[in-house]
Amino acid sequence: GAVVSQHPSWVICKSGTSVKIECRSLDFQATTMFWYRQFPKQSLMLMATSNEGSKATYEQGVEKDKFLINHASLTLSTLTVTSAHPEDSSFYICSARVPGRGGYGYTFGSGTRLTVV
Amino acid sequence: QKEVEQNSGPLSVPEGAIASLNCTYSDRGSQSFFWYRQYSGKSPELIMFIYSNGDKEDGRFTAQLNKASQYVSLLIRDSQPSDSATYLCAVIMGGYSTLTFGKGTMLLVSP
Repeated sequence: GAVVSQHPSWVICKSGTSVKIECRSLDFQATTMFWYRQFPKQSLMLMATSNEGSKATYEQGVEKDKFLINHASLTLSTLTVTSAHPEDSSFYICSARVPGRGGYGYTFGSGTRLTVV
Repeated sequence: QKEVEQNSGPLSVPEGAIASLNCTYSDRGSQSFFWYRQYSGKSPELIMFIYSNGDKEDGRFTAQLNKASQYVSLLIRDSQPSDSATYLCAVIMGGYSTLTFGKGTMLLVSP
């Protein structure tokens, strides 16, 4: 149980276009979703925290107008990379906190490899 | 700046040996500590978490926490080639609900 489904698993897009990444909680209600970015040989860096029905909280240095996060329902959060550029190429991972599971409660999506050409 | 530090490695051990992975954290108010394993191109998977000082064992894995020294470690006994991966230490720091990750230590277990 407590699965987060993330799509697509990989995407290649042209510079200047936008890409949407979806994360769905399949068997629980995710009131909070976390979005991470990971560059090669680097750690997961938290980009933003989204709460259902409210605006996302972005970490310092993350452009909220470039990385649009929507968490309109308890089972779906989306990250849209707008006007993507090659430097946005990275591995994007979502994570949700599963209620009542304590330390087992942070579950991750399978990740999206974005390549901007 | 609240940080989680790990040696990037690689840490190379022969099959059957004990692998010891270390992590230090800067926030003395941190309460929860996690070890994740990440294979290349995949998302992290939870190995263990620990809240209290001391040791916590689960199968071949033992997590050790020393809050006074702000140090957490992971021991892997009887290391297997399939354990070769990057091991990420993550901490929930005081007053936060988000995970802060270290850069990870690459472990290579040779047959």
